[in-house]
Amino acid sequence: EVQLVQSGAEVKKPGESLTISCEGFGYSFTDYYIDWVRQMPGKGLEWIGVISPRDSHTRYSPSIQGRVTISVDKSINTAYLQWTSLRASDTAMFYCARHRSGNLSDAFNIWGQGTLVTVSS
Amino acid sequence: DIVMTQSPDSLAVSLGERVTINCKSSQNFLYTSSIEDDLAWYQQKSGQPPKLLISWASTRESGVPDRFSASGSGTDFTLTISSLQAEDVAVYYCQQYYGAPFTFGHGTRLEIK
Repeated sequence: EVQLVQSGAEVKKPGESLTISCEGFGYSFTDYYIDWVRQMPGKGLEWIGVISPRDSHTRYSPSIQGRVTISVDKSINTAYLQWTSLRASDTAMFYCARHRSGNLSDAFNIWGQGTLVTVSS
Repeated sequence: DIVMTQSPDSLAVSLGERVTINCKSSQNFLYTSSIEDDLAWYQQKSGQPPKLLISWASTRESGVPDRFSASGSGTDFTLTISSLQAEDVAVYYCQQYYGAPFTFGHGTRLEIK
């Protein structure tokens, strides 16, 4: 079965660093782009960025660029979303998602279960 | 960035009735090498990740009930549920994947009247 499995919920303090993960199963990991999507409490979906697992090329939303880093370790079929200094406003559910084909311009047909990040002092 | 504007923000419809959700893009992306529109519709039920319903503006994903249909071209797109079922209660999002950033609409919350 094709699936993305994300790491568990995190509770952090402002200023702390964090890395969450998204592991792909059941398909050739390097053949499909992986995106990260943010959903703040009670709000809609916001695209954060995309990475090519093949060459680690990334694109970010201008609204969040510089606040997070997307990376990948293709040897273990895992993508990452990283913060160096969390803020309370980073509190949200984060989803990883896979493109339906190997094309960058394609819909997201496989989604992880989500990782809830809570930042509070 | 391409801005996706959905309407209405929310609606309450009786079981069995027809539902129409609209999505408007701020940029016409018909003028590409493909005649298809890079527009998707997602359904998100409470406590779940989004689920892809429709891609290429009107192509239903495998396993999606045929009461869901979509249409549109250019800048204006529509998702239709022909006969609302209880399990359709969710928030529905449109998304353009023509180019990064892959922007979503703000969502339409669908409830049972």
